Amino acid sequence: DTGVSQDPRHKITKRGQNVTFRCDPISEHNRLYWYRQTLGQGPEFLTYFQNEAQLEKSRLLSDRFSAERPKGSFSTLEIQRTEQGDSAMYLCASSFGQVYGYTFGSGTRLTVV
Amino acid sequence: TQLLEQSPQFLSIQEGENLTVYCNSSSVFSSLQWYRQEPGEGPVLLVTVVTGGEVKKLKRLTFQFGDARKDSSLHITAAQPGDTGLYLCAGIRGSTLGRLYFGRGTQLTVWP
Repeated sequence: DTGVSQDPRHKITKRGQNVTFRCDPISEHNRLYWYRQTLGQGPEFLTYFQNEAQLEKSRLLSDRFSAERPKGSFSTLEIQRTEQGDSAMYLCASSFGQVYGYTFGSGTRLTVV
Repeated sequence: TQLLEQSPQFLSIQEGENLTVYCNSSSVFSSLQWYRQEPGEGPVLLVTVVTGGEVKKLKRLTFQFGDARKDSSLHITAAQPGDTGLYLCAGIRGSTLGRLYFGRGTQLTVWP
């Protein structure tokens, strides 16, 4: 297993465009998380899936953000009508249970111009 | 406001020195984790502590979870340039379904 894979690694988009990111977790992990990290800050929680069910969403996840995890495998995070404030590193993580720690992907760096 | 406060925010030391990073909160956590992050990469898990008063060692790194499970510390002995990176503490509260609350991180630079 090669760990958590995120695609693309970098994305530059114009304000107002839609973008979609993909995350492939470690195959035996049933939990998948999305976080957002801006410069000088720790990662901030966005949303969490257990298998295919989206169990929790942060207030940071506005109506322009949507996440899916069809069939409990890979996940996608879509941002509609991007704004400059959406520029950040979007991190995906997976885990099996909550005690053993998360495995993070390398992230997708989004720049909105 | 951050649920977990890390200090110091920046630390610049010479190779061979010892250092301690602190992670404090007024909230109780069911477990606490420490991560290290390199520029442009995701955080990498170093350790998870779950029991109040627990001490774990990872080579030159010593992690401690406070008795009340509200705070933690990371101590590095004889720091090396390879220890340079952003150190993040993150906690799970019992009432949340595995959501990690992160501190802002401590940026450590070790000079040769």
